[in-house]
Amino acid sequence: QVQLEESGGGVVQPGGSLRLSCVVSGFTLRNYGMHWVRRAPGKGLEWVAFIRYDGWSRDYADSVKGRFTISRDDSNNMIFLELHSLRPEDTAMYYCARDFNDFGAKGYFFDSWGQGTQVIVSS
Amino acid sequence: DIVMTQSPDSLAVSLGEGATINCKSSQSLLYSPGDKNYLAWYQQKPGQPPKLLIYWASTRASGVPDRFSGSGSGTDFTLTISSLQAEDVAVYYCQQYHHTPPWTFGQGTRVEIK
Repeated sequence: QVQLEESGGGVVQPGGSLRLSCVVSGFTLRNYGMHWVRRAPGKGLEWVAFIRYDGWSRDYADSVKGRFTISRDDSNNMIFLELHSLRPEDTAMYYCARDFNDFGAKGYFFDSWGQGTQVIVSS
Repeated sequence: DIVMTQSPDSLAVSLGEGATINCKSSQSLLYSPGDKNYLAWYQQKPGQPPKLLIYWASTRASGVPDRFSGSGSGTDFTLTISSLQAEDVAVYYCQQYHHTPPWTFGQGTRVEIK
């Protein structure tokens, strides 16, 4: 079955960096666009980043643009999110999610999710 | 950006009773080729990741009980739980995927047992 597992979260000081990873199984990663979505404490879900199935297109929320980078390694079934210049408001559970639309030029909705990895930005 | 507004923010329902959650988008989510509404609903239980419930506004995802149903078109949508079960206690979110990026969610509706 489809599985996604995130790792790489932790506690980091403001201005610091982290690299989140998401390993997938149960489907052919190169056929799917992938997203990162986060949920801050006491807040709702916030979409963070999307990478198209072929890697040619990447989109970011305005709140992270220029600081976060999404990438993929299809040969190792992995998705990454590099977080730089971290701020306290980036504190959240970060989820990797598969897009429903295989071979899609645009993303649709999120049909499978990982359990998440916690990022805490604090001095 | 499309703003998604859910109502109410929270509701308490007796077991076996129905629950209705509303979601309003700032622009129409109806895409004429195919006449599909680009709206999804998710359920997030405490300590768990979100789970897809409904997509295309009214199509239930695989394995979702038929007590969950979605309706609406254009800018106004509804998630209905016909007979609330204890395991339905969760936060529910609507999400639009028509005018992207960004993909945007409603603020969430917390459903509890009365």
